Amino acid sequence: GESVGLHLPTLSVQEGDNSIINCAYSNSASDYFIWYKQESGKGPQFIIDIRSNMDKRQGQRVTVLLNKTVKHLSLQIAATQPGDSAVYFCADLDTGRRALTFGSGTRLQVQP
Amino acid sequence: KAGVTQTPRYLIKTRGQQVTLSCSPISGHRSVSWYQQTPGQGLQFLFEYFSETQRNKGNFPGRFSGRQFSNSRSEMNVSTLELGDSALYLCASSLVGGAQETQYFGPGTRLLVL
Repeated sequence: GESVGLHLPTLSVQEGDNSIINCAYSNSASDYFIWYKQESGKGPQFIIDIRSNMDKRQGQRVTVLLNKTVKHLSLQIAATQPGDSAVYFCADLDTGRRALTFGSGTRLQVQP
Repeated sequence: KAGVTQTPRYLIKTRGQQVTLSCSPISGHRSVSWYQQTPGQGLQFLFEYFSETQRNKGNFPGRFSGRQFSNSRSEMNVSTLELGDSALYLCASSLVGGAQETQYFGPGTRLLVL
C-alpha cells in the first residue's frame, strides 16, 4: 500500500531556533496533507493542512511546504518554544477510503 | 464548541474478554473514524462511519467492529481480546468525511490487555 514516512525520528533544537520537520509520501495521487502534533497522553492535534494545488501555506508560527515533484512535505516552526515539544505526524488523506495514512512521527525536543 | 470525547480513558482487560469503547464527535460532525495507535505499527485506520453506516474499513480482523447511532455517537467493539490489542484507540470526527476535510481527534482510550 501507499505510505507516508518521515526522514528523522528525533529532532532536538534550542529554544528560539526554527525547526524543520520533513516528510516523504509515495502516493502520487495524494491531494491533501495534514500535520498533527501529539503530546504525551493526548490525541493528535491538528496544526495545519495543505492541498495539492498549493506549494506553501502559513499559519501562526508554522509553515507547510509541499514539493509535488519530489513528493516531499515539510513543517517549519518559527521561534520554537518548550511547548512545541511533542511528536509530529504528517498524514495523507485517502479521499477514496476517507482514511488518513500517517507517517511514523518525529519527536521534537526543545532545549531551554 | 466541545471537542471529540472518548470514554473510558483507560481500560484494563484480560485475554479473551471483549471491550466496548465510546466516542462522541464534535457537535455537527457526522463522520466518525477510528484509529489504533501502537509503538510498533503507529497509527492505523480501523473504520469510518457516516449516517449509521460503515463506509470504509481498514485491515483489521473481524474481531474489531463498530457502530454509529443516529446522534452520530459511535462505539467500537473488540471481541476475544489478544495481548496485541493493547493500544491507544483514537476516534476522529469530521463534518461529512468528504474530500480534503480535516479530521479532529479525541484524547483516545488506552487499552491494556493482560
